Amino acid sequence: DTEVTQTPKHLVMGMTNKKSLKCEQHMGHRAMYWYKQKAKKPPELMFVYSYEKLSINESVPSRFSPECPNSSLLNLHLHALQPEDSALYLCASSPAVLNTEAFFGQGTRLTVV
Amino acid sequence: DQQVKQNSPSLSVQEGRISILNCDYTNSMFDYFLWYKKYPAEGPTFLISISSIKDKNEDGRFTVFLNKSAKHLSLHIVPSQPGDSAVYFCAASTLISSGSARQLTFGSGTQLTVLP
Repeated sequence: DTEVTQTPKHLVMGMTNKKSLKCEQHMGHRAMYWYKQKAKKPPELMFVYSYEKLSINESVPSRFSPECPNSSLLNLHLHALQPEDSALYLCASSPAVLNTEAFFGQGTRLTVV
Repeated sequence: DQQVKQNSPSLSVQEGRISILNCDYTNSMFDYFLWYKKYPAEGPTFLISISSIKDKNEDGRFTVFLNKSAKHLSLHIVPSQPGDSAVYFCAASTLISSGSARQLTFGSGTQLTVLP
């Protein structure tokens, strides 16, 4: 199983809503990532979790709150987002330190209205 | 400051010919390089990679070349097929400062169109 599963695939939320994005992998990877991708731009790193601990927060606003409940799951809690936060949110996983590829999920297309 | 650059936003080639996609990087700490293929509204799909200790890696129709002294890598697709049409991202990997995980930095992507 080389799959990273993200739910939901699409999400429309108002600026006062609270929602969560979910990501799951069963490859035994101990590093998990959240990326944000705007149209015609490369994926930009938001957070890195290694062994369920937050290792990198790339100066992401506090309206984005990551959570890693266990080694297979990664959540991104959203609250009071702005329309400019609309983007494709990608989850990825990889072995923590080995030189190998990261596997990406299909992404959640988020629209903030 | 972009640490990974793909200077060609788009490339068109005829079916059966060679596609060459280029990528330059500036950070000497990058020690592993990857190419991903991406369709709109989908996650990137891994294609091929190369370690900084090698200068070539081949997988079927795909070959990646690394020129470490020039900080340049390229992806060759031979022969190109219409199904190869997608955005191709170059990515470079390095250990994060704590040493507990790796971090990917992506280039801006090249839209490849293979014409039948």
